[in-house]
Amino acid sequence: DIQMTQSPSSLSASVGDRVTFTCQASQDISNYLNWYQQKPGKAPKLLIYDASNLETGVPSRFSGSGSGTHFTFTINSLQPEDIATYYCQQYDDLPITFGQGTRLEIK
Amino acid sequence: QVQLVQSGAEVKKPGSSVKVSCKASGGALNKNPIHWVRQAPGEGIEWMGGFVPIFGTTEYAQKFQGRVTITTDASTSTGDMELRSLRSEDTAVYYCARVIYLSRAPLKPSFWFDPWGQGTLVIVSS
Repeated sequence: DIQMTQSPSSLSASVGDRVTFTCQASQDISNYLNWYQQKPGKAPKLLIYDASNLETGVPSRFSGSGSGTHFTFTINSLQPEDIATYYCQQYDDLPITFGQGTRLEIK
Repeated sequence: QVQLVQSGAEVKKPGSSVKVSCKASGGALNKNPIHWVRQAPGEGIEWMGGFVPIFGTTEYAQKFQGRVTITTDASTSTGDMELRSLRSEDTAVYYCARVIYLSRAPLKPSFWFDPWGQGTLVIVSS
């Protein structure tokens, strides 16, 4: 199975900050990676597909980059409503696997 | 806009089975299959399985092989997941999610989950 490792596991930042966290794949997955946001008590929501494509309707302060084994997710100008856990997910091979998540808190 | 609505919470005894349903509203599934994932309390997300068009078969995570059956009925825009021989470790929120495939030959098709159902809590307890 392809292991997805996210870091850090949690992060605290202030409103307006630029926030970046990473997802590392255990093998080359090209750009076959998506990012989801999960708010407490809610289902995950797609934000980024194919590593860097912003889903329709998602604010432009969210962005993704990377390919191969190393991927980055960035929020420019953090907003209070961005409090959530963020998951990466690979689809290069079955089983589909998710990272363990990065929990984002506001200072 | 398609929304997925799942059946309600369940409390089950160890060794029994549970069936969770998922129905699309606001539009049809068309050829988009439903996959299932689960999330144990305070844990990450675990893929269980679903129909994979490029294979033409329903694929399951090895962990659930032989214990789970996933079906999608395009005519009624519904999907079901049955998990058998339940144990306490199966206590989790179970989500259905529509799979979106986008062809981008010669590369693999793009694949993502959108939208997701609201989740169904399954508690396994004696």
